[in-house]
Amino acid sequence: AQSVSQHNHHVILSEAASLELGCNYSYGGTVNLFWYVQYPGQHLQLLLKYFSGDPLVKGIKGFEAEFIKSKFSFNLRKPSVQWSDTAEYFCAVIALQKLVFGTGTRLLVSP
Amino acid sequence: NAGVTQTPKFQVLKTGQSMTLQCAQDMNHEYMSWYRQDPGMGLRLIHYSVGAGITDQGEVPNGYNVSRSTTEDFPLRLLSAAPSQTSVYFCASRRLVQETQYFGPGTRLLVL
Repeated sequence: AQSVSQHNHHVILSEAASLELGCNYSYGGTVNLFWYVQYPGQHLQLLLKYFSGDPLVKGIKGFEAEFIKSKFSFNLRKPSVQWSDTAEYFCAVIALQKLVFGTGTRLLVSP
Repeated sequence: NAGVTQTPKFQVLKTGQSMTLQCAQDMNHEYMSWYRQDPGMGLRLIHYSVGAGITDQGEVPNGYNVSRSTTEDFPLRLLSAAPSQTSVYFCASRRLVQETQYFGPGTRLLVL
C-alpha cells in the first residue's frame, strides 16, 4: 500500500530562519503530490501541488517544494519563516485514486 | 458555492450510541472521502466514494458505514460509538482526475 513519511514531527525555528520539511512517499506509479497546512483551530488549506511539469513548484505565502522522482521525495521549503507560519504541515499523495497523508510536522516559529 | 459543508461541528456521544455525520458539496465533485485526524497520526482515510452508488474502504473503516445515494451527499455513520472513535472528522471532495481535494471544516466528536 502507498504511504507517506514525514521525518520531522516537531520543528522549532526562530523568525527569519530557513525551513525545509522532508516528505517521502512509497509508490512507483504516477503520483500527484500536495502540501497542506493546518493553522491552529482551522481546517486544512492547500499550500501547493505537483501534478506534472516543472518539478519545482511554488505555492502560497512564499512556500515552494521540489519533486525528486528518483528519491521519491517532495520536500517543502521556505527561505525565511514568520511567526504566522506556526502550524501543522501535511504532505500527501494521490495514488490509485486515494489521497494518503503523512503524519504531519508541527512547526513552531518563535518571534 | 458553499464548498464542502459538515454538520454538526461538535458532538458528544455515550458509548454505544449511534449517529450520522453529514457531509455535502456543491461543486459536482465525483470523489468524496472521510478522514479522521488524531494527534501524531495525521489524517487517516476511513471511506471514500468515486461516484454515486460506489463506496470503498480506506485505512481505518471498522466501526463506520457510508453510502452515496447522490453526488452531493456522503454521510458517515457510527453504528455503535466507542471511545476510540473520539477524533476530529474531515470530509473532502474533488474531481476524479488531477484535482485538488477540498476539505470541510471538520466535526469534533467526543465519545464518553
